[in-house]
This record gives sequence, C-alpha cells and structure tokens, in this order.
Amino acid sequence: NAGVTQTPKFQVLKTGQSMTLQCAQDMNHNSMYWYRQDPGMGLRLIYYSASEGTTDKGEVPNGYNVSRLNKREFSLRLESAAPSQTSVYFCASSEAFQGNRDQPQHFGDGTRLSIL
Amino acid sequence: KNEVEQSPQNLTAQEGEFITINCSYSVGISALHWLQQHPGGGIVSLFMLSSGKKKHGRLIATINIQEKHSSLHITASHPRDSAVYICAVRRQGAQKLVFGQGTRLTINP
Repeated sequence: NAGVTQTPKFQVLKTGQSMTLQCAQDMNHNSMYWYRQDPGMGLRLIYYSASEGTTDKGEVPNGYNVSRLNKREFSLRLESAAPSQTSVYFCASSEAFQGNRDQPQHFGDGTRLSIL
Repeated sequence: KNEVEQSPQNLTAQEGEFITINCSYSVGISALHWLQQHPGGGIVSLFMLSSGKKKHGRLIATINIQEKHSSLHITASHPRDSAVYICAVRRQGAQKLVFGQGTRLTINP
C-alpha cells in the first residue's frame, strides 16, 4: 500500500525556472495539503484542498499554484522559482475533517528542492 | 510569539531514560496531534487527542485543555526513538493544523 507518493524526491532549479511537484494518494482521502519545511521553522501550509474541485490558500501561498486534478492527485507548481523557495516540500492527505472529529494526516516522503 | 511552542528544542539522553517533550499553545483547539519525523525525513502521525491521555506501546501523550499544554512521554527510550517530534493543533472550527517547530531527540546507546 503506497499511501502518499511524491515526485520527484530531489530537484535543483535555476532562478526563474518553473516546475511542478506531483502528489498522489491511494487512500481515497478527500483532503490534501502541501507544506514546506524550513530549518528552525515548523511545517507551514502552502495550499490545501478540502475536497475534489476545491483549493484554498494556507499561510504561505505566494509564488505557488495548485491543481486538484482528481481525488487522488494534488500538484504544486512554482511558476518562476526563487531562492527563497528552497525548502523541503511535503504533501499530505486525510479523511475530511468534520466538526470536532479530527483525522490523522498521512505524509509523503518529501521533495528536497534547491533553487540556485 | 508562535501559537504552538515546544520545549526543549533539542534533547539528548541515554538509552533507557524516561523522556518528556512539552507542547504549549495559545488558542482554543479542537484537537492536538503528535507526529514523528524520522532522520530520513518521513513524517508519521503518533497521536491525536482532545482530552485526557493516550498510550501506544512505550509512548504516552497527555493533554490539559485548561492549561493549554500537552506532553509526550517515552518510557525505556531506545536509540531507534531518535527523531524529531512535532506537535500540531487544530484551532476550533479551522480546517488547518498549526505546527510547532519540533523537538529533536537523540538517544545514545
């Protein structure tokens, strides 16, 4: 059972280049998330998708776009990469959050992205 | 000030010691999560709790809603427990989690 799969695992870009990080989950989860993790800081939410067909901004959305292609897939795009976007990116998924009934998030292995 | 503060930031202990990691938060929450990030980078969910105490193997998580504080305990610690432990909270009515900075735990043999 693969869980949450992210590709690629590593990428080096030059400033101004574009790329798309791919994420797919096989747990039939409604909600999917993109986070970035930087040294000395907690995980920060970039965008999330509460259900297929919807996306919302998180804490740090500037410079990113997302697409919820279908229930399984949620991609993150950097249109014009900047050195400040050097980070480790995590995709996660969970069952839909309803009221006070919380759900665990399942994480991919991360994408280590360097922007030169 | 961060909404979620963890202490200590780094902790080194000897195998067999009892470990406590603390998490304090400043907002009303509906749930608190503890997660573990392995040295290789993978993140797994350990606990979700909104009251009381939960136990899984050698790990115990407690929460005091009135004091806005949670602790993660590890009994009989082992080198394989070496990881970053992350606390996260879900504000009441919110869809999103807010994460602490993590506590890096190293257990020496």
